Amino acid sequence: LAKTTQPISMDSYEGQEVNITCSHNNIATNDYITWYQQFPSQGPRFIIQGYKTKVTNEVASLFIPADRKSSTLSLPRVSLSDTAVYYCLVGERSGGYQKVTFGTGTKLQVIP
Amino acid sequence: DVKVTQSSRYLVKRTGEKVFLECVQDMDHENMFWYRQDPGLGLRLIYFSYDVKMKEKGDIPEGYSVSREKKERFSLILESASTNQTSMYLCASSLMGQGADTQYFGPGTRLTVL
Repeated sequence: LAKTTQPISMDSYEGQEVNITCSHNNIATNDYITWYQQFPSQGPRFIIQGYKTKVTNEVASLFIPADRKSSTLSLPRVSLSDTAVYYCLVGERSGGYQKVTFGTGTKLQVIP
Repeated sequence: DVKVTQSSRYLVKRTGEKVFLECVQDMDHENMFWYRQDPGLGLRLIYFSYDVKMKEKGDIPEGYSVSREKKERFSLILESASTNQTSMYLCASSLMGQGADTQYFGPGTRLTVL
């Protein structure tokens, strides 16, 4: 499984754009990159997923360079409610199941 | 919306007790997972199941067993609870597909073993 490395924590002021970068140097050809968000006392929630280039949805954008060895989750104009832990995952298929490993994530603290 | 429910939000048990944690999903997903989450260690996979009566060990299966008698229900069993199994337990499910999977998580069960 491709190992991911991301910062342990980040602080940001309300209204700013936040970029969280994840390194996955040994990503395999068939691997997808997925980001989850977890609030305290809740299970993780899917945010966004991509394979290459850029993906955007109503919550975030995901930028993936051509070599796919890293990815950047971009949260536009964060609010206090975006304070959470963000996990970057890289997964490979194993039969009918995609094997992924959740690391320790990046704890984002949004400051008023 | 996919809904994954877990039988209890909080549970307190004594050392040596047999503990059952239940998880139910309502979206006909083939895959179901049990994780535990501890401070500084992230989420670690205990067991997963890709079909009824099928199970596979995850990264930390020791001290746990699972049961999947129906597609929508996946149970985690602690045969003899120990204090080092005090943790947050999270259940998830996903649809078996050709591309990447999205896992849907339940709210978690915080288990304390005294």
